[in-house]
Amino acid sequence: QKEVEQDPGPLSVPEGAIVSLNCTYSNSAFQYFMWYRQYSRKGPELLMYTYSSGNKEDGRFTAQVDKSSKYISLFIRDSQPSDSATYLCAMGSGGYQKVTFGIGTKLQVIP
Amino acid sequence: SQTIHQWPATLVQPVGSPLSLECTVEGTSNPNLYWYRQAAGRGLQLLFYSVGIGQISSEVPQNLSASRPQDRQFILSSKKLLLSDSGFYLCAWNFDRGTEAFFGQGTRLTVV
Repeated sequence: QKEVEQDPGPLSVPEGAIVSLNCTYSNSAFQYFMWYRQYSRKGPELLMYTYSSGNKEDGRFTAQVDKSSKYISLFIRDSQPSDSATYLCAMGSGGYQKVTFGIGTKLQVIP
Repeated sequence: SQTIHQWPATLVQPVGSPLSLECTVEGTSNPNLYWYRQAAGRGLQLLFYSVGIGQISSEVPQNLSASRPQDRQFILSSKKLLLSDSGFYLCAWNFDRGTEAFFGQGTRLTVV
């Protein structure tokens, strides 16, 4: 079993839809949870970062962490064509342990 | 604010040729530095990381090597490229190894 599981998609949604992206993990030591957005042929850009269970909101984006279920989500409200990208989840336990990345979910928002 | 620079953006090299990719970070001191390779459908693979000048740890044995000659400079090298070295190479930095990292724009390497 991989430490982090993420559906690679692709996921196609109409403009304005609510998008839900998810990752599950197996390592209970993970305390830091991140979402990155990566446009084609570009480096990943940090989108959201949280270290606690619950929700964190930033504009149209909401990151949700459920440590008891080992499940994290990223919600995008009022999705736009400019949101079309690959979204990678990432998790770490801090200290000297490396961050583990999901494989990324490719999202396409259709105008 | 901190910025990370990575170059070149694209590179086409013949098999057997040497490689040198450079990454520099501005606006911070003593960062952790990383080299990743990203292959389609395989996610991000950590190749090397460094916690200080001259300190390099290799995650995956391969045809590549890394060096950190200065605090904010990280170099990925190869003496003789293989076809299998083709990929998208990303440099990243952070302060705490287990938390969020910040990426450069990547180098797309094609070995022909």
